[in-house]
Amino acid sequence: EVQLVESGGGLVQPGGSLRLSCAASGFTFSSYWMHWVRQAPGKGLVWVSRINGDGSYTNYADSVKGRFTISRDNAKNTLYLQMNSLRAEDTAVYYCAPNWFDPWGQGTLVTVSS
Amino acid sequence: DIQMTQSPSSLSASVGDRVTITCRASQSISNYLNWFHQKPGKAPKLLINAASSLQSGVPSRFSGSGSGTDFTLTISSLQPEDFATYYCQQTYSTPLTFGGGTKVEIK
Repeated sequence: EVQLVESGGGLVQPGGSLRLSCAASGFTFSSYWMHWVRQAPGKGLVWVSRINGDGSYTNYADSVKGRFTISRDNAKNTLYLQMNSLRAEDTAVYYCAPNWFDPWGQGTLVTVSS
Repeated sequence: DIQMTQSPSSLSASVGDRVTITCRASQSISNYLNWFHQKPGKAPKLLINAASSLQSGVPSRFSGSGSGTDFTLTISSLQPEDFATYYCQQTYSTPLTFGGGTKVEIK
């Protein structure tokens, strides 16, 4: 059974940094693209970033390009999202998902506020 | 970027009703289209991928159709557990984009 468990969310001041993790199990993690998607409170879903299986190729939404970095550790079956220069508009629940988008993790809440 | 336009943004329906949600892409995406539903406080759940392929375990009252730019999600007989928000998503090109959502509420 595929399982994804996000962690690392919390309250951070504007301009601060946070690293999210997504622990994966139940599939051959290193073989697949992985994604981050976020959802601001009361709003819709927004794709953030993706990374290929060996970590050599990444894509980002324009809104996070240059501030966020996606990475993975295939030995640990873990996906990461390093978030720097955080803004109030980055406040959201962040989900990880495999390339076929089933299932998603439970999400981790990031709140950017002073 | 490919824009995904869902309609309606909300609807009210009764148990047993047939419900149709549409999703239009700003350019052709072939059949690279997913449908999800999401209940409050929960992660989205994939219902249909490749525009019309029902995911394992998803009830057969759900169906998807379309290709190119116009897509439809149909619930043939709405059940109490189907009251949720529904999203389409294109996976044709990055940035992957979602529709704005359709909230299905109880009439």
